[in-house]
Amino acid sequence: GQNIDQPTEMTATEGAIVQINCTYQTSGFNGLFWYQQHAGEAPTFLSYNVLDGLEEKGRFSSFLSRSKGYSYLLLKELQMKDSASYLCAITNAGKSTFGDGTTLTVKP
Amino acid sequence: GAGVSQTPSNKVTEKGKYVELRCDPISGHTALYWYRQSLGQGPEFLIYFQGTGAADDSGLPNDRFFAVRPEGSVSTLKIQRTERGDSAVYLCASSPIMNTEAFFGQGTRLTVV
Repeated sequence: GQNIDQPTEMTATEGAIVQINCTYQTSGFNGLFWYQQHAGEAPTFLSYNVLDGLEEKGRFSSFLSRSKGYSYLLLKELQMKDSASYLCAITNAGKSTFGDGTTLTVKP
Repeated sequence: GAGVSQTPSNKVTEKGKYVELRCDPISGHTALYWYRQSLGQGPEFLIYFQGTGAADDSGLPNDRFFAVRPEGSVSTLKIQRTERGDSAVYLCASSPIMNTEAFFGQGTRLTVV
C-alpha cells in the first residue's frame, strides 16, 4: 500500500516558519505533491517533487528524500491566511493517494 | 471556462435513489480525476480518465458507482441505489497530462438521507 502519515494538527505564530512532515510507505511513485485546502474549499496546488531535494516556490518549499520515505513542506513568513489543511499526495501512473492532511492554525 | 466546474454544488437524495454528478474540466486537459472526501480526511481516489477511457477505476467502491467521459471533456459520475455511507464531498480535478498538478473543482456535497 501507500500509507501516508502526517501530523493531524499544528500551531504556529504569524511571521514564523513551520515545517509539516509527511512519511510514506510505497515501492515506487512518479512524484509527491503538496496541496493547501481551506475549510469548505477545494485543494489548490502548492509544490511538487520528482527528484530528491528541495523545491522552492516563494514562501513555500518542499523537500523529498525517496530513500527515507520522507517529505516536508516548509512555510516561511507565516500569514494568518495560511491557516488551512495541508495535504501530502503521492502520484503514480495518474492515481494520487492523499494523506489525511495537517490542519495548521496560525496565531497572531 | 476558467476552472473546473462541478454541478450541482449540493445534492440531497433519499436512500436508494440514483444520482448523477457532473464535471466540466479545464479546456484542453486530457486527464480527469474523481475523488471523494469525508470530513477530516484527505481526498480518496475513485477513478482517472485519460481522454475518453478510464485508465484506472480501482478506487470505485463497488458496482453501484460508474463514471463516463464520452467525448474526452465533460465527465459524469453515476451512483445507483445510494446509501447513507455515500454521503461525502465528491471532487473532480483535471490536469494537462498525467502526473502533473491537478486543478480541483469546488466539489459536489452529496447527502443521502
